[in-house]
Amino acid sequence: DQQVKQNSPSLSVQEGRISILNCDYTNSMFDYFLWYKKYPAEGPTFLISISSIKDKNEDGRFTVFLNKSAKHLSLHIVPSQPGDSAVYFCAASTLSGGSYIPTFGRGTSLIVHP
Amino acid sequence: NAGVTQTPKFQVLKTGQSMTLQCAQDMNHNSMYWYRQDPGMGLRLIYYSASEGTTDKGEVPNGYNVSRLNKREFSLRLESAAPSQTSVYFCASHGGRPYSNQPQHFGDGTRLSIL
Repeated sequence: DQQVKQNSPSLSVQEGRISILNCDYTNSMFDYFLWYKKYPAEGPTFLISISSIKDKNEDGRFTVFLNKSAKHLSLHIVPSQPGDSAVYFCAASTLSGGSYIPTFGRGTSLIVHP
Repeated sequence: NAGVTQTPKFQVLKTGQSMTLQCAQDMNHNSMYWYRQDPGMGLRLIYYSASEGTTDKGEVPNGYNVSRLNKREFSLRLESAAPSQTSVYFCASHGGRPYSNQPQHFGDGTRLSIL
């Protein structure tokens, strides 16, 4: 059973508009959340993270929001640019057996049209 | 500034053949990981090594073995390849203390096809 769900396999947005990527999780023990970005034929690269003690973290055009009661986080990209077109993975982790091992969602493919 | 280097980038095997996927990082990271990614799936953890000298099973370890050769290198071995192991394999590492919450750095993957 998926503990981290990205229910939208794809998202299409016009350049300059806002992109909102969503992620839901089921394990209430998760306390650290990350977003990774992946271009074709490359490995994922870290984008932004948030700890469960916060509800918002911002880094330039990227903002992650965390709603712990709803077990939901979202990534906002404003304004969206064609270079943002990639697959975005949400990941969540908690301390288990002495290790923080992230659980990944299946990804959302974002296409930003010029 | 190599980061995490995986070799080979592509490989085709026949069922039953063996293969070792190599991974090396030059960031002096303690922790290293092997994932597989299948179409429409997220990254699933095969094995990880929280520090030099230790290895642990992840979510999908069956059919694989690993070796943490030294702090830099973490290899993944398929002893008898099966078509179900056709996938893209990613190696990752992270710095900080072992067992700490740190973002991972990924290699560019090995695309493995088993006929």
